[in-house]
Amino acid sequence: GENVEQHPSTLSVQEGDSAVIKCTYSDSASNYFPWYKQELGKRPQLIIDIRSNVGEKKDQRIAVTLNKTAKHFSLHITETQPEDSAVYFCAANYGGSQGNLIFGKGTKLSVKP
Amino acid sequence: SQTIHQWPATLVQPVGSPLSLECTVEGTSNPNLYWYRQAAGRGLQLLFYSVGIGQISSEVPQNLSASRPQDRQFILSSKKLLLSDSGFYLCAWSVGWAGGNTEAFFGQGTRLTVV
Repeated sequence: GENVEQHPSTLSVQEGDSAVIKCTYSDSASNYFPWYKQELGKRPQLIIDIRSNVGEKKDQRIAVTLNKTAKHFSLHITETQPEDSAVYFCAANYGGSQGNLIFGKGTKLSVKP
Repeated sequence: SQTIHQWPATLVQPVGSPLSLECTVEGTSNPNLYWYRQAAGRGLQLLFYSVGIGQISSEVPQNLSASRPQDRQFILSSKKLLLSDSGFYLCAWSVGWAGGNTEAFFGQGTRLTVV
């Protein structure tokens, strides 16, 4: 099955700095890679996703890059703000029609004002 | 629009008691359905997923089971709870298709405390 490794487990940055979270996956058939943000006590919500036919996707201060050869993908947050503080999860699917998402263990991001 | 309902929001159960958590989805047909567990300070662990009525796949061995009696209903059960079953349980759905996936939408979650 799919194995998703996520690093770091905790990340602390100053407001305005950039934050980078990295994930690796094992199943070469995976073709969908979403990132979720979970605020304390709330449900995870999608913030950005990327499919295997592109190498980079950007949405305002958030970007995701994908290296299919190396089987890793990263989340980049620029100009961080205190409201970016949350737990971030990467995920990868098995590919094909099964559709189940396997999540990384999460990264707790703290943005200090 | 699609919505997902999960209940109850919180639950305190004694060790050895049964469990039933229910999740329903509205506004879509034949969704992929998932149960995840999140232990305190840890990641999301996939417990079960289902691609159709009566089709359940288990990702980890445990004393939990899942059933999908209707297209948009997913139930997580246990006959006898263990202390280690405590955690935050999340139901989710997505549209699965042969070319890949789309976004997974999560329910509000159930915080289960086994005492």
